[in-house]
Formats: sequence, C-alpha cells, structure tokens
Amino acid sequence: DIVMTQGALPNPVPSGESVSITCRSSKSLLYSDGKTYLNWYLQRPGQSPQLLIYWMSTRASGVSDRFSGSGSGTDFTLKISGVEAEDVGVYYCQQGLEFPRTFGGGTKLELK
Amino acid sequence: QVTLKESGPGILQPSQTLSLTCSFSGFSLSTSGICVSWIRQPSGKGLEWLATICWEDSKGYNPSLKNRLTISKDTSNNQAFLKITSVDTADTAIYYCARTRITTRDDYWGQGVMVTVSS
Repeated sequence: DIVMTQGALPNPVPSGESVSITCRSSKSLLYSDGKTYLNWYLQRPGQSPQLLIYWMSTRASGVSDRFSGSGSGTDFTLKISGVEAEDVGVYYCQQGLEFPRTFGGGTKLELK
Repeated sequence: QVTLKESGPGILQPSQTLSLTCSFSGFSLSTSGICVSWIRQPSGKGLEWLATICWEDSKGYNPSLKNRLTISKDTSNNQAFLKITSVDTADTAIYYCARTRITTRDDYWGQGVMVTVSS
C-alpha cells in the first residue's frame, strides 16, 4: 500500500498569514499520462470532507484561488495564501493512483 | 446538483452484518468514468477508504478488511450499497459515500451516517 505522511502546522496561525501543508507518498504518484494523482481535502469541524485540489495542482470547482497545490512525484505542498476563519479544519492528502486508496493522517489548522 | 445521502442501522451488535445504502442524485452510475466510494472515519480519527464501484461494475476493496466487504449498485434507482460482515467495536465510525471520478478523486460527499457497534 502507498503510505501518505503529512506534516504539522505551528498552530495557532494568525489570520492573514500564508501557510504550507506538506505531504509525502511512499511511491511516486506520477502516472504515464503525465498527471500526478494527488488530492487534497478539507474537513471543516462537524462537516464532510470537501475536495480542494486534484492532479496535484488543479483546483476543484468553486475552490478559492487562495489554495494552490504543487510538488514532485512524491513530495507535495498545499499552500493557503492569507488564511481566513473558513479555512479552519483538518486537511488530508490522498493518493488516487491505485487501490487501496490511502489518505494521510491529516493536518489541523487552527486560527489565532 | 449532485447530492448523496447515506443511511444505515445506527446501532448493531458485534458479529452482525452492517448494511449501508447511498442514495444519490444529479449523476448516474451508468455514465462512463463515474464511480461511488465508501470511506469511514472513527470519532476523532482520520479517513479510511473502504471500497469503490464503477459504471462498468468494476470494484476495488481495502484489503485490510479482508473479505468482509461487499459493494454493489442499483443503477436504475441511483443507489450504491456496502455490506460489512462480522462487525466489532472497531467498526464504529461515521460512514461516508462519495462520487468518485475515474476512481481517482472524490468530488462530492454525503453528510455521513454514524454507525455504532455495541453489545
């Protein structure tokens, strides 16, 4: 199975600051079609997860351009430019390359 | 508008079989590239993918649950199902269903249904 490992944030984060959340996979998520199958989700308190980013850097429909994804085949970063109150929650990375689909353990964002 | 809603028994006893239903609208499970997945989350913990079923009836299962899982669909009635046999307290969790695009990303999620396994 592909193991997904996420980093932590130095919570709480001041409102308006930019933060980066890291994720690492145990296997390259770059496929032969040129796409990197890494997704990012946000789970706000008491809510279901929502898709933010897929193919490592493509924003899902309706997602703010304050969110951006980048990386290589195994190391990934989700950047939030100017955190706002609505960004509070737990962020998960997930590999979409193969079964079993696996998630990172989650990174919690708290606002100061 | 895409919506999904999970339903289940709420509470069941160890060794019983858990049956979950995902009722959805706004898309069809007969459309090429469309799948439905089940994911669960124990209280205060992370997400665990369980199974995926796709438009052409291909299926994927989490091997960590060995042979306890069965996923199926009723395309005519816009529903997907998950059965988990021989449940125990470790299966207590919120269970989500999600629309999955080409098996690679879950772009719409249901609200989740809480399932408690207790004697």
